[in-house]
Amino acid sequence: QKEVEQNSGPLSVPEGAIASLNCTYSDRGSQSFFWYRQYSGKSPELIMFIYSNGDKEDGRFTAQLNKASQYVSLLIRDSQPSDSATYLCAVNHSGGGADGLTFGKGTHLIIQP
Amino acid sequence: DGGITQSPKYLFRKEGQNVTLSCEQNLNHDAMYWYRQDPGQGLRLIYYSQIVNDFQKGDIAEGYSVSREKKESFPLTVTSAQKNPTAFYLCASSLKTGGFYNSPLHFGNGTRLTVT
Repeated sequence: QKEVEQNSGPLSVPEGAIASLNCTYSDRGSQSFFWYRQYSGKSPELIMFIYSNGDKEDGRFTAQLNKASQYVSLLIRDSQPSDSATYLCAVNHSGGGADGLTFGKGTHLIIQP
Repeated sequence: DGGITQSPKYLFRKEGQNVTLSCEQNLNHDAMYWYRQDPGQGLRLIYYSQIVNDFQKGDIAEGYSVSREKKESFPLTVTSAQKNPTAFYLCASSLKTGGFYNSPLHFGNGTRLTVT
């Protein structure tokens, strides 16, 4: 059973601070990692994806991947109230993952003004 | 603008009735997926299709059926055999996967189905 684990939260962060969201996965052969943001009642929207070990930055967002530890994280700098949402981590399956992605249950992030 | 259109946004049905959820995309993506989301459960894969006239069962296919007669369309039928059909249904598409890496999934706005 391929699993993706996230702390459900809520994770409460003051406005302007760094929010750190974490995800672990069980399939050691996974190669593609995605972060989605989902507002209440809405569909997920892609924030970032990462394929290689290390950091990948896009604006206020940084994805970090450590395949040896089977760990992927998302940092949000200068957190804004509009960042309050549920963040879903998604991972492909080893061997190319033609059957889509496995999603974690999400971390509920609250940015306090 | 390119995107994925799901309809209707809300759907109400009586128990025992089959219902079909529509999903159309104009992104020219080969792969399409159906996920179900329940509170606290995350997204679970129902069916997926990598090419026209071919589709595969996902983790929770029982009680559902799909067709892929056109590249743009991937409708999902929720049959009366599905024991707990009330959920938020999400259709997604991506470039065809091949090799090691997956392209990101792009989601439609979802259909919220309530069966009473």
